[in-house]
Amino acid sequence: AQTVTQSQPEMSVQEAETVTLSCTYDTSESDYYLFWYKQPPSRQMILVIRQEAYKQQNATENRFSVNFQKAAKSFSLKISDSQLGDAAMYFCAYRTTQGGSEKLVFGKGTKLTVNP
Amino acid sequence: NAGVMQNPRHLVRRRGQEARLRCSPMKGHSHVYWYRQLPEEGLKFMVYLQKENIIDESGMPKERFSAEFPKEGPSILRIQQVVRGDSAAYFCASSPNRRPSGANVLTFGAGSRLTVL
Repeated sequence: AQTVTQSQPEMSVQEAETVTLSCTYDTSESDYYLFWYKQPPSRQMILVIRQEAYKQQNATENRFSVNFQKAAKSFSLKISDSQLGDAAMYFCAYRTTQGGSEKLVFGKGTKLTVNP
Repeated sequence: NAGVMQNPRHLVRRRGQEARLRCSPMKGHSHVYWYRQLPEEGLKFMVYLQKENIIDESGMPKERFSAEFPKEGPSILRIQQVVRGDSAAYFCASSPNRRPSGANVLTFGAGSRLTVL
């Protein structure tokens, strides 16, 4: 079974600085999808960024980018120019492409604090 | 488009009572997923349903929990004889009608927080 590990329970960053959140995963599959979700205090799960494993190019969405290292099974999230609104729990998630399901496997999350 | 609607947002039950959580998927979506989030934990998959069918219930506890997604109306997650350990946030997510695909992205509701006294 696939597992997702986020080794940093908490991180903090100064406003306007850059922070990187770590994620590693374990799988025997060669094709899969990886996601970062943000969960603010409202608890709403918001998709931040998505990466297809067959794509070598790292995904980017405005201030958010990933460093996808397939061989190392690593998928870190970089937030540039951090803003107060970025404060939230961040969850890394894995999705198989097998079996016709879009089931996600989540890590335990990293709580990000942004200091003014 | 109202998004994925879950209700109630908060539900309090005493031990032994029943809890019913409802989820209306986004318009045009007929695939529904239920996840549970225990305190300080990530979301854990419970069940995947399509209209009138349970596709994958590998994450559902064997007893007291059931889910349905009828032809008409919302999906329901039902927990019978609740215990304190059932206290958690329960999230519903939906995806489009088309065949499951890596290109699809799940859209989540805001969750229902169940507290068992």
